[in-house]
Amino acid sequence: AQSVTQLDSQVPVFEEAPVELRCNYSSSVSVYLFWYVQYPNQGLQLLLKYLSGSTLVKGINGFEAEFNKSQTSFHLRKPSVHISDTAEYFCAVIPTGANNLFFGTGTRLTVIP
Amino acid sequence: GAVVSQHPSWVICKSGTSVKIECRSLDFQATTMFWYRQFPKQSLMLMATSNEGSKATYEQGVEKDKFLINHASLTLSTLTVTSAHPEDSSFYICSATGLAYSEQETQYFGPGTRLLVL
Repeated sequence: AQSVTQLDSQVPVFEEAPVELRCNYSSSVSVYLFWYVQYPNQGLQLLLKYLSGSTLVKGINGFEAEFNKSQTSFHLRKPSVHISDTAEYFCAVIPTGANNLFFGTGTRLTVIP
Repeated sequence: GAVVSQHPSWVICKSGTSVKIECRSLDFQATTMFWYRQFPKQSLMLMATSNEGSKATYEQGVEKDKFLINHASLTLSTLTVTSAHPEDSSFYICSATGLAYSEQETQYFGPGTRLLVL
């Protein structure tokens, strides 16, 4: 069985400040890890993913995430946020050998002018 | 590349009617398509997985006779909500994966369909 935990349901941050959105997972097998962003009334867009290799993954819009196997974490970071980053962010995993995505409950990032 | 479309984007219907939602992969062949449901301020819940040419696999608790899924071609899957009721009102999102991409694990999502049943 696997689960994804996003402890912070809401994260307010001032414009141009750094942000970190936390994601922890548990799984009995290895997993692939993803971060998706959802803008209001839209579907999900892939921000970045970790399949293998370097544990630091860079994605679109200046976001990056680091896979930490010992801490079973995949936190998302951005050094300087913009108003346009206001959205819902979902962490998700796919267990190896499966196609199913398992999502966390999401973190609402609100960038304050 | 990797564009997935959904139609319609919005639908309002009367209770008791059936609604069909289409999900298309525009620039790749989707061997597998997924249907999710999202309630306000909640995460996506997988409803079913469909592979082209075979019956869909439904998640526990999802009524297969109510949510009919057809994946007749490598670019099209449809979800029909039969005899819709107000509690079926939700945001329905499809996603697709295809062998055309090396990372088969990546799912590409459609923009979603918002269903409101009156």
